[in-house]
Amino acid sequence: SQKIEQNSEALNIQEGKTATLTCNYTNYSPAYLQWYRQDPGRGPVFLLLIRENEKEKRKERLKVTFDTTLKQSLFHITASQPADSATYLCALDAQNAGNMLTFGGGTRLMVKP
Amino acid sequence: GAGVSQSPSNKVTEKGKDVELRCDPISGHTALYWYRQRLGQGLEFLIYFQGNSAPDKSGLPSDRFSAERTGESVSTLTIQRTQQEDSAVYLCASSLGQGQFTQYFGPGTRLLVL
Repeated sequence: SQKIEQNSEALNIQEGKTATLTCNYTNYSPAYLQWYRQDPGRGPVFLLLIRENEKEKRKERLKVTFDTTLKQSLFHITASQPADSATYLCALDAQNAGNMLTFGGGTRLMVKP
Repeated sequence: GAGVSQSPSNKVTEKGKDVELRCDPISGHTALYWYRQRLGQGLEFLIYFQGNSAPDKSGLPSDRFSAERTGESVSTLTIQRTQQEDSAVYLCASSLGQGQFTQYFGPGTRLLVL
């Protein structure tokens, strides 16, 4: 069966360090993968999209990698700040389903000052 | 510019009552999605509209749930005979469609069934 796995345990890191979050998937052949941020009591907010033919994408302090052989995406936040504390969700395009996305369960990041 | 809006922001109802949740997508977005998120859980897909047709209703958890969309605009999600397990945040998102995949989410409706 299709599965998207993100570490359900919270990731606690010190301010200034690099946070690395993992998204693994099975039985998908996604054309692209997205990362979203969700703060408590709010809807998710789009951060980055990476396509299957792209190895890496950067936006300011964010970097995403996409390895279709390993079926894994890594999401990095460099020079992390307490304001980066949130839940981060990865999402894949659902196969043969138009514009639909399937979301992982998310990983909560806590950046301590 | 205006984002996705949802109403009400909070709804408390008694078990057995019907509720209607509303979503106003971003103007010009042809695709609209409903998700459910229980406390501390991930997003559970409910239904997807392209225009006013719903090509995928597979996520609706039971026949108590229904949704409709008027043109490429407002959508309502109706839950009949609510149960306590329906308590969750109901999120709506929209996207441009036509190969544009980024989804823009509303703030959600927090539903509590007593």
